[in-house]
Amino acid sequence: SQTIHQWPATLVQPVGSPLSLECTVEGTSNPNLYWYRQAAGRGLQLLFYSVGIGQISSEVPQNLSASRPQDRQFILSSKKLLLSDSGFYLCACGLAGVLYFGAGTRLSVL
Amino acid sequence: AQSVTQLDSQVPVFEEAPVELRCNYSSSVSVYLFWYVQYPNQGLQLLLKYLSGSTLVKGINGFEAEFNKSQTSFHLRKPSVHISDTAEYFCAVRPSGGSYIPTFGRGTSLIVHP
Repeated sequence: SQTIHQWPATLVQPVGSPLSLECTVEGTSNPNLYWYRQAAGRGLQLLFYSVGIGQISSEVPQNLSASRPQDRQFILSSKKLLLSDSGFYLCACGLAGVLYFGAGTRLSVL
Repeated sequence: AQSVTQLDSQVPVFEEAPVELRCNYSSSVSVYLFWYVQYPNQGLQLLLKYLSGSTLVKGINGFEAEFNKSQTSFHLRKPSVHISDTAEYFCAVRPSGGSYIPTFGRGTSLIVHP
């Protein structure tokens, strides 16, 4: 079965600093990969998804970008963080029509 | 396009009581349906899914859900809840063909009191 690794688990960053969150998947190949954000008290917002290496679709125009340099690696980045980027970031892997989630990264931008 | 409505943002219940978390969806095509659970500061964990076949689906932790196509509902039920069931529950829907992107409801917070 697949395992989804996300790190770090928590992160505190100043406004204007860069961001790099990494997600890697084990136990499967060529998965669909997703980045979601969950703001406090709100539901899930799809940020990016990828169906293959170098193929990224953005759902929400914003301060973030994503890349997929390898089949099982999905990276979320920002050049300059905003206060509104704070939230809980979740990586997910799609297999046989079902999404499986990583443990998430809690980002606080101060 | 599809949408998901979770009618209750919060459901308080006493331990060992039954519970139902409601989920309604709209879609112009056939769908797959899911329930996920999220414990504090953790990712989402799949509780159960409906892809085809029997409309009564059993999941982990004693939960079950019934797909009702005529009422476009997929309510989650448990006959007797435990304190440990306190968590956020998300209903999700995606088309059975084509798009791999599910649509999530806004979540229902289940609070189990002793």
